[in-house]
Amino acid sequence: NAGVTQTPKFQVLKTGQSMTLQCAQDMNHNSMYWYRQDPGMGLRLIYYSASEGTTDKGEVPNGYNVSRLNKREFSLRLESAAPSQTSVYFCASSENEGRNEQYFGPGTRLTVT
Amino acid sequence: AQSVTQPDIHITVSEGASLELRCNYSYGATPYLFWYVQSPGQGLQLLLKYFSGDTLVQGIKGFEAEFKRSQSSFNLRKPSVHWSDAAEYFCALGTYKYIFGTGTRLKVLA
Repeated sequence: NAGVTQTPKFQVLKTGQSMTLQCAQDMNHNSMYWYRQDPGMGLRLIYYSASEGTTDKGEVPNGYNVSRLNKREFSLRLESAAPSQTSVYFCASSENEGRNEQYFGPGTRLTVT
Repeated sequence: AQSVTQPDIHITVSEGASLELRCNYSYGATPYLFWYVQSPGQGLQLLLKYFSGDTLVQGIKGFEAEFKRSQSSFNLRKPSVHWSDAAEYFCALGTYKYIFGTGTRLKVLA
């Protein structure tokens, strides 16, 4: 039982490049989330998926897109990376949205130069 | 508006000393509250949660938290800190989605 897995663990991009962060969970959870963590700002929600087939914007969605590929997988895409997107990205899942415990992946450290 | 405030950005305590990390929330209904811990380079791990009932909740690693509705607080405590407790601690409010505080970084002196 791996929980929540994320790939890659580290990535360096040049401004304007694109990439997709992958996330998968094996807990049969309905809800999945993408956060970014920046020093002094805690975790900010980028996008979430309350259930398979639905996605919604969070607090900081600009510059990102998401796909809920199936119940297990939730990917985050940066179409044209900018230095302001340098951050640590966490994927999380929960049984249902909002009030349930969230389980976090190990994170992806992204640097955009 | 819904919000979570962790007033202390950094806290330093000596090993063996007691610890209290503060968390204040703003929410109109009964809150669902969580404390998470993040060790360096790791994801977040749930320490404890409050949904309803007993206002003193026990968690893992010897942590506890007390919900005080009158003070809109959910402070995390530990009677005796260990060096391995050095980490960043996040309080979160669960509504239809989570709202995280900005975190408190704990340093433990040997």
